[in-house]
Amino acid sequence: AQSVTQLGSHVSVSEGALVLLRCNYSSSVPPYLFWYVQYPNQGLQLLLKYTSAATLVKGINGFEAEFKKSETSFHLTKPSAHMSDAAEYFCAVSDMAGSQGNLIFGKGTKLSVKP
Amino acid sequence: DTEVTQTPKHLVMGMTNKKSLKCEQHMGHRAMYWYKQKAKKPPELMFVYSYEKLSINESVPSRFSPECPNSSLLNLHLHALQPEDSALYLCASSQVRQAPYEQYFGPGTRLTVT
Repeated sequence: AQSVTQLGSHVSVSEGALVLLRCNYSSSVPPYLFWYVQYPNQGLQLLLKYTSAATLVKGINGFEAEFKKSETSFHLTKPSAHMSDAAEYFCAVSDMAGSQGNLIFGKGTKLSVKP
Repeated sequence: DTEVTQTPKHLVMGMTNKKSLKCEQHMGHRAMYWYKQKAKKPPELMFVYSYEKLSINESVPSRFSPECPNSSLLNLHLHALQPEDSALYLCASSQVRQAPYEQYFGPGTRLTVT
């Protein structure tokens, strides 16, 4: 069965610093992986997705993630944090058991950005 | 357009009330989902509709009753809820033709049960 683990429930960075949010997955088959962002009192917005076409995936708002099979990781990075990046971030893997691929979410990482 | 809309944005209801949450998408997606999200937790899957048929019910209490009238609409009927049902209810949709079936979420309905 697929699963994801997000290391660190809370990450705090200074504005302009590197953002690194960690996600490790467990899957018996090549996974489909996603990062979603949730701003306070809003729904989830898809940041990026991994589909095996390329190991380095670029997303919206300057975020990118690198798929590393040897490390079973899909960490999310952004070179320079902005105050507007403060939000909850969820890593998810697609459960391919069903025809529509239900999402299995990690517990989330709250990103705080200090001025 | 990747928009999923949900109404109402906020809902306060008593334990004896009957209310409905609505979700709409016009992306041609044939899978639609209801999630429940408590504070500081990831979304929990409640129901999945595929081609307007209920395909997954994650052992949700019968006081929650989903309905999919057509391929663009998804409702969640609420009756005799408990205070612990207070949460953010999220709707999502996805295409089903080819993996990875990424889901697009609505803004949610913040439900408070008094």
